[in-house]
Amino acid sequence: SYELTQPSSESVPSGQPAVISCSGDKLEDKYVSWYQQRPGQSPVLLIYHDFKRPSGIPERFTASNSGDTASLIISETQPEDEADYYCQAWDNRTFVFGTGTTVTV
Amino acid sequence: QVTLRESGPALVKPTQTLTLTCTFSGFSLTTDGMCVSWIRQPPGKALEWLALIDWDDDKFYMPSLKTRLTISRDTSKNQVVLTMTNMDPADTATYYCARTFDSSGYYHGFDYWGQGTPVTVSS
Repeated sequence: SYELTQPSSESVPSGQPAVISCSGDKLEDKYVSWYQQRPGQSPVLLIYHDFKRPSGIPERFTASNSGDTASLIISETQPEDEADYYCQAWDNRTFVFGTGTTVTV
Repeated sequence: QVTLRESGPALVKPTQTLTLTCTFSGFSLTTDGMCVSWIRQPPGKALEWLALIDWDDDKFYMPSLKTRLTISRDTSKNQVVLTMTNMDPADTATYYCARTFDSSGYYHGFDYWGQGTPVTVSS
């Protein structure tokens, strides 16, 4: 079965950029979505179709997908960005979520 | 506006069957491209996709759980139901329903989620 691997944690100073990676075999051939989940809350869609932002998502969240790695970039990390982040892709008639990354600001 | 709400038992015994209902509003599951999924999250662990039903009543399941899962819909009530048989303590999790949209086989991500319903499997 398809797997998406993320680093378990990232620590970033407030105001600095954060980059969260998501690795999977030939991931560039699939569309990747990204979600933010704050403690005790439901996930929120940040990015879909590799780099598209739903309305209401701040511009500091951007993303890319190339080769075997997709990346979520937070340009100037804010204290409220402290959360878990998950990538997700569609492969062979199933959805797959990444292992999740806890971002500490 | 779009809302989804999960309902079901908070506690089930091992070997029992779990039935969860997702009641939604603000969209129709008969609209071309519209889909609803079930996703779960064990305590302290990652999200895990379980099943999807789409506007055409097509159904997709997580392969490793396929024999235990059934997803169905009642379009007149705007509900999607998930049943999971032979429950085990390892199935203890918060269960979410979420909406996505299919554009010719390319899904838009899960843009709306319910608040989740916690399920504990214990005797």
